[in-house]
Amino acid sequence: AQSVTQLDSHVSVSEGTPVLLRCNYSSSYSPSLFWYVQHPNKGLQLLLKYTSAATLVKGINGFEAEFKKSETSFHLTKPSAHMSDAAEYFCVVTWGGKLIFGQGTELSVKP
Amino acid sequence: EAQVTQNPRYLITVTGKKLTVTCSQNMNHEYMSWYRQDPGLGLRQIYYSMNVEVTDKGDVPEGYKVSRKEKRNFPLILESPSPNQTSLYFCASSRTGTSGRTDTQYFGPGTRLTVL
Repeated sequence: AQSVTQLDSHVSVSEGTPVLLRCNYSSSYSPSLFWYVQHPNKGLQLLLKYTSAATLVKGINGFEAEFKKSETSFHLTKPSAHMSDAAEYFCVVTWGGKLIFGQGTELSVKP
Repeated sequence: EAQVTQNPRYLITVTGKKLTVTCSQNMNHEYMSWYRQDPGLGLRQIYYSMNVEVTDKGDVPEGYKVSRKEKRNFPLILESPSPNQTSLYFCASSRTGTSGRTDTQYFGPGTRLTVL
């Protein structure tokens, strides 16, 4: 069975410090993996995606993620947080037409 | 402008009164899907459609119906809504690759439904 676990429901960082949002997945197939961001009272927007090409994936707004098959992980990182990064982040695994979302990680950024 | 539209954006209704939430996309995407978002549970897939006249269940299909008669539209139907269907609903569309995998999801703005 396919599943996604986001290891932290809430992460708080100071502006200018690194961000790490953790995601582990379980998949019987070779998965496609995505990170989406949802700002308050907004829809979801793609940050980045892994589809079996390069294992280090760069996304928008300075975010990147590394696909580690041996660890079944797809953690999201950013070297320096900005106030505008405060939002909820979702890790998603897809195969065929099915999508499984993680429970979400709320990122707070302190000035 | 490429977009996914949903209507209505907000709806308050009563138990048992049939309702339809419309979803339309203008990107000629083959794939469309419905999700519900509840606090602490993330988004859960209700139904999806790989193409016209092709629909399949997601993780939480009970109490919902869908149809895909045209490529651009994918309405969500609640025949007899109940209070546990109070939620935030998102429609999304995407291309599908040659391997049949869905690509980036483009989400609508959401419909907030309250069932009393």
